[in-house]
Amino acid sequence: DQQVKQNSPSLSVQEGRISILNCDYTNSMFDYFLWYKKYPAEGPTFLISISSIKDKNEDGRFTVFLNKSAKHLSLHIVPSQPGDSAVYFCAASWGGYSGGGADGLTFGKGTHLIIQP
Amino acid sequence: EPEVTQTPSHQVTQMGQEVILRCVPISNHLYFYWYRQILGQKVEFLVSFYNNEISEKSEIFDDQFSVERPDGSNFTLKIRSTKLEDSAMYFCASSEGSHGTDTQYFGPGTRLTVL
Repeated sequence: DQQVKQNSPSLSVQEGRISILNCDYTNSMFDYFLWYKKYPAEGPTFLISISSIKDKNEDGRFTVFLNKSAKHLSLHIVPSQPGDSAVYFCAASWGGYSGGGADGLTFGKGTHLIIQP
Repeated sequence: EPEVTQTPSHQVTQMGQEVILRCVPISNHLYFYWYRQILGQKVEFLVSFYNNEISEKSEIFDDQFSVERPDGSNFTLKIRSTKLEDSAMYFCASSEGSHGTDTQYFGPGTRLTVL
C-alpha cells in the first residue's frame, strides 16, 4: 500500500541546472509534507517542509510546490550542485491541525539524484 | 548544531537473541520515534513515544518490540527475540512538538544484522 509514491528511482542532472523531484500521494488526510536527503550510511537529513495550507515554500536553493487537487508535490533545486547528489525522500503526515492523527511519517521509496559535472 | 545520536552504529546478533538499540534525542525535544529501513526498501515508521508512553505504533511494532526512556536522555528500542527479517537500519528521530507542525530530526542509524 504505497500512500506516498516517488516514481523515479533515479534522476541525473547537470551541475548548475534545475533538479525537479516528484512525489505523489493517495491519502487525502495528509496535511504536512517533508523532503529529506540521505547519504549512504547516514540518517535522513531534513531539507524543507510544507503545510497543506500553502502551495509553495522556499528555502535558499530549495523550493517545494504542493498541488493538493492533484495530490502531487515537487522539490526544485536550483542551481544543482555536486553535493546535492544523494537519495531524496518525500514524506507525509496527517493530523497536525485537525488533531488525533498519525505521528509517524509515511515515506516514499526515494529518488537517487545524481549531479553530473 | 544539536543532533540525534545512536549507538551502536552496527550490531551483529544471532537469531533469537535480544538486542537493545540506543538513541539520545535532541535535548529539548519531547517526541521520539523509531523507524526502520530494510535494505532496498523505504523507511518505515515503527513507534512514537511521548510523555513516557507509546503515542502510536505501526503494525510492524509487535510484541517482540518495546521502547523505553530509562533516564532523562536515552531512548531505547528493544527487540526481544530477533529474527532474520529484523535485519535493517534502525533510525531514531525526535521532534519538539507533535506531527504536522514539527519536523522530525533523524539520527545516523544502527545497522542490525541478524545471523
